[in-house]
Amino acid sequence: EAAVTQSPRNKVTVTGGNVTLSCRQTNSHNYMYWYRQDTGHGLRLIHYSYGAGNLQIGDVPDGYKATRTTQEDFFLLLELASPSQTSLYFCASSANSNERLFFGHGTKLSVL
Amino acid sequence: GEQVEQLPSILRVQEGSSASINCSYEDSASNYFPWYKQEPGENPKLIIDIRSNMERKQIQELIVLLDKKAKRFSLHITDTQPGDSAMYFCAASENNNAPRFGAGTKLSVKP
Repeated sequence: EAAVTQSPRNKVTVTGGNVTLSCRQTNSHNYMYWYRQDTGHGLRLIHYSYGAGNLQIGDVPDGYKATRTTQEDFFLLLELASPSQTSLYFCASSANSNERLFFGHGTKLSVL
Repeated sequence: GEQVEQLPSILRVQEGSSASINCSYEDSASNYFPWYKQEPGENPKLIIDIRSNMERKQIQELIVLLDKKAKRFSLHITDTQPGDSAMYFCAASENNNAPRFGAGTKLSVKP
């Protein structure tokens, strides 16, 4: 089974705080994604990348930056966290955009 | 990006009966349609998928149907069991574009 590791698993911060969520995949996959999961909205795409140094904007990008530093590592940055960003964040990877996704175990973020 | 609509949001069935979840998409370029199952506290996992060159695919009790003209696809679970209780997500994607997901269906199978 392909491996996607997210850290931290849980994070609590205050409004205006600075948060970095990390994701590493060891699948040699080209694509990596950040989604947020909220009740009633399913999985919404924040940002994605098809290789080191590449970044594509998703559907709900406001308030988020992302950086793909290597083939393996994809980071999600919240520079001024707001309560509306309280959510469950999933990172995923796939060989190509129209191949199955492998998800990490998620990061539960609470912004107080 | 692609927009995917998924219905129903909640589905309750009796053990042994069938469950059906329907999704629709907008972009005719979409060519890959996976279904993911998410159990409480877990991450989503692929259970079955279908590509645009097929109309029907079956893996054991799971059947997916794809109607490209109508831009609709569906998941059918036959002979449901309590272990099928979970959240189910459909998704659609095309070449060089990230998958977009439906809002999810919470399936409850009553013994």
